[in-house]
Amino acid sequence: EVQLVESGGGLVNPGGSLRLSCAASGLTFNNAWMSWVRQAPGKGLEWVGRFKSKTDGGTIDYTAPVKGRFTISRDDSKNTLYLQMNNLKIEDTAVYYCMTGGDHWGQGTLVTVSS
Amino acid sequence: EIVMTQSPATLSVSPGERVTLSCRASQSVNSNLAWYQQKLGQPPRLLIYGASTRATGLPARFSDSGSGTEFTLTISGLQSEDSAVYYCQQYNTWPFTFGPGTKVEIE
Repeated sequence: EVQLVESGGGLVNPGGSLRLSCAASGLTFNNAWMSWVRQAPGKGLEWVGRFKSKTDGGTIDYTAPVKGRFTISRDDSKNTLYLQMNNLKIEDTAVYYCMTGGDHWGQGTLVTVSS
Repeated sequence: EIVMTQSPATLSVSPGERVTLSCRASQSVNSNLAWYQQKLGQPPRLLIYGASTRATGLPARFSDSGSGTEFTLTISGLQSEDSAVYYCQQYNTWPFTFGPGTKVEIE
């Protein structure tokens, strides 16, 4: 069974930084395309970015609202995906989900940006 | 960026009824369209993707149709556990984008 477990969320001041982790199990992680998707409180779903598997080029794509501020990385030896978030804005407040293949999602971790 | 729109925003229906949810893309996404169901406090659940490929275990009352820019999700014989928000999402062109969702309420 595929399991994705996010961690690292919390309360941070505007302009601050946070790093999220997503620990994966039950899948061949180094072959998986991994994504971060977020959901602001009471709002819809928004893609943050994706990291293709190294065998498929290993490229990373971001959406416009986070480009230049967020960095996705992965450690295939630890089956873990990361999201480094810098210069956080109030509008980054959301539940952040780790996802692969569309059919496997973590439970999410809440990031609150507030002073 | 491909903009996804969904209608209606909210639907209130009785158990046993048939509901049709619409999704429109601002440009063709071919058949690269997925439908998700999200219940309160839970992550999204993939229902259907691609050329009507159904997720494992999806009840037969869920079906979809469409390609290009117009898509529909139909739930036949609505059950109480179908109360949720339904999102469409295109994965034809990066950035992948979701529709705003349709909230289905059971009367």
